[in-house]
Amino acid sequence: GQQLNQSPQSMFIQEGEDVSMNCTSSSIFNTWLWYKQDPGEGPVLLIALYKAGELTSNGRLTAQFGITRKDSFLNISASIPSDVGIYFCAGLANSGGSNYKLTFGKGTLLTVNP
Amino acid sequence: DGGITQSPKYLFRKEGQNVTLSCEQNLNHDAMYWYRQDPGQGLRLIYYSQIVNDFQKGDIAEGYSVSREKKESFPLTVTSAQKNPTAFYLCASSVRGQPQHFGDGTRLSIL
Repeated sequence: GQQLNQSPQSMFIQEGEDVSMNCTSSSIFNTWLWYKQDPGEGPVLLIALYKAGELTSNGRLTAQFGITRKDSFLNISASIPSDVGIYFCAGLANSGGSNYKLTFGKGTLLTVNP
Repeated sequence: DGGITQSPKYLFRKEGQNVTLSCEQNLNHDAMYWYRQDPGQGLRLIYYSQIVNDFQKGDIAEGYSVSREKKESFPLTVTSAQKNPTAFYLCASSVRGQPQHFGDGTRLSIL
């Protein structure tokens, strides 16, 4: 089946630093999504990317849909303590009648030191 | 407010017992999903439903069952056949082909 390789697995940074994480796949995706999960809660959608090469921002977050459609990255600028959490990438591929199934990366655990 | 409601927040299961996790959405989404999350792992799909009265197995359906009798409801039953049920269970919904939105999860533990 499809797999997403998300890296790094964890990051420990100082407040104010920029952060970058990425996902790569052996398969093509038509949509890339980035979610954030706080402890004990469900993931919350941060950014959705629908077109190869697309670069989208949401406040201090910027994400890009790779031109090959097999990768995506997420950048967080000027990190703050509330950025702490697990960040997941997810890919959506059209595959006949199953085009609603997301494939998730294993997540990047971000810790921000005040 | 529109959203996805999962209940209970915490659930305990005894040996040989079936338990049912509730998921309700008022977003008028056609598709609903159940995921299992274990520490250090990504989300793994248990079952999904694209329309009322229809559902399909995901990647780890063994030991679980679902029903979709109403558009807004997609309950998950963890049966006694699931030998390692301790996990965080997440329900999601979406418009077909659009990003999924998640509930706040149910944490299931074994007594």
